[in-house]
Amino acid sequence: AQSVAQPEDQVNVAEGNPLTVKCTYSVSGNPYLFWYVQYPNRGLQFLLKYITGDNLVKGSYGFEAEFNKSQTSFHLKKPSALVSDSALYFCAVRDKETGTASKLTFGTGTRLQVTL
Amino acid sequence: EPEVTQTPSHQVTQMGQEVILRCVPISNHLYFYWYRQILGQKVEFLVSFYNNEISEKSEIFDDQFSVERPDGSNFTLKIRSTKLEDSAMYFCASRLAGPQETQYFGPGTRLLVL
Repeated sequence: AQSVAQPEDQVNVAEGNPLTVKCTYSVSGNPYLFWYVQYPNRGLQFLLKYITGDNLVKGSYGFEAEFNKSQTSFHLKKPSALVSDSALYFCAVRDKETGTASKLTFGTGTRLQVTL
Repeated sequence: EPEVTQTPSHQVTQMGQEVILRCVPISNHLYFYWYRQILGQKVEFLVSFYNNEISEKSEIFDDQFSVERPDGSNFTLKIRSTKLEDSAMYFCASRLAGPQETQYFGPGTRLLVL
């Protein structure tokens, strides 16, 4: 079975400061890892993914995430937060070994609040 | 940029009624999914669909649910007899072939069962 934990319901950060949204995962094999963002009354927008290779992945809107296999983590980061980054962020995992049509398993989401 | 679209954006129905939620996946995508998100909870997988058949389904996806790709563009989720607990946001997603490919999500249909 695969699972994702996002230990923080909410992260508060001032604009211009760095932000981190935490994610840890559990899979029986090797993971594909994804971050999605959800703005109010909108669908899930893809931010970035880790498939293989370089542990630091860069994505949309200046976001990046670092894959750490020993800590089974995939934390989302941004060097300088913007008020417009305020949204709900979801981490998701797929086990590479579980068939080609396999589902994503999502975390519970972390609400990011960026203030002036 | 191609997008997944869903209709309607909102649906209100009475308990026991049938609803059909519609999705138009991105045109060259081959794998299709339905997920749901009950208010305040996480996004949950319902079903995946490939080559005109269900590939995988969750325990939530019982006999009241069905999916269909009636033509070359639409992908539908039918709930035969809605229950109060079916109230949720339903998301459609699609992706290209290849296990590393990204699933792209539609804007969702908010279903309210009264």
